[in-house]
Amino acid sequence: QVQLVESGGGVVQPGRSLRLSCEASGFTFSSYGMHWVRQAPGKGLEWVAVIWFDGRSKYTADSVGGRFTISRDNSKNTLYLQVNSLRPEDTAVYYCAKDMGAVSARGADYWGQGTLVAVSS
Amino acid sequence: DIQLTQSPSSLSASVGDRVTMTCRASQGIINYLAWYQQKPGRVPKLLIYAASTLQSGVPSRFSGSGSGTDFTLTISSLQPEDVATYYCQKYNSDPFTFGPGTKVDIK
Repeated sequence: QVQLVESGGGVVQPGRSLRLSCEASGFTFSSYGMHWVRQAPGKGLEWVAVIWFDGRSKYTADSVGGRFTISRDNSKNTLYLQVNSLRPEDTAVYYCAKDMGAVSARGADYWGQGTLVAVSS
Repeated sequence: DIQLTQSPSSLSASVGDRVTMTCRASQGIINYLAWYQQKPGRVPKLLIYAASTLQSGVPSRFSGSGSGTDFTLTISSLQPEDVATYYCQKYNSDPFTFGPGTKVDIK
């Protein structure tokens, strides 16, 4: 069965960096687009970034500007999100999600359990 | 960027009621819209994609309709397990914005 397992979250001080990982199994990882979506405590879902099947095309929300970088290693079935210059407003659960499409979005049919990033001094 | 609004922001209905909620896009998105259900403390779940296509395994009491700028999610007979927040998401082009959600509970 499809599994997505995020890791790398934690409590960090403002201005620091983290690398979030999402290990995928149960499907052909290299054939699908992958997203990061975050959810601040008590708030709604916020789309963060997408990377398409081969990693050549990727897009990131303006709200995270150049601070966040999505990448993937298809040889390791792993999705990454490098988060730099963290701010308190980046505090959220970060979910990885599999898209049904390879090169264009069709909807995210599987989601991980999320990893919590808490930015606090 | 295209914005999504959802209404109502919350609703309370009785078991067995027909429940309807809407999602409106600030510009046309054809049918590139998905609906997700997020139960309290749980991970989001895809219900509908392409505005009206039911995801495999989703009960048939859920249905979606609409195109262009106006979309609707309907629960034909509300069940206790449907207590959740429902989000729409556009995916015609990036950013793949979510709406603010409609929270559904039982009266």
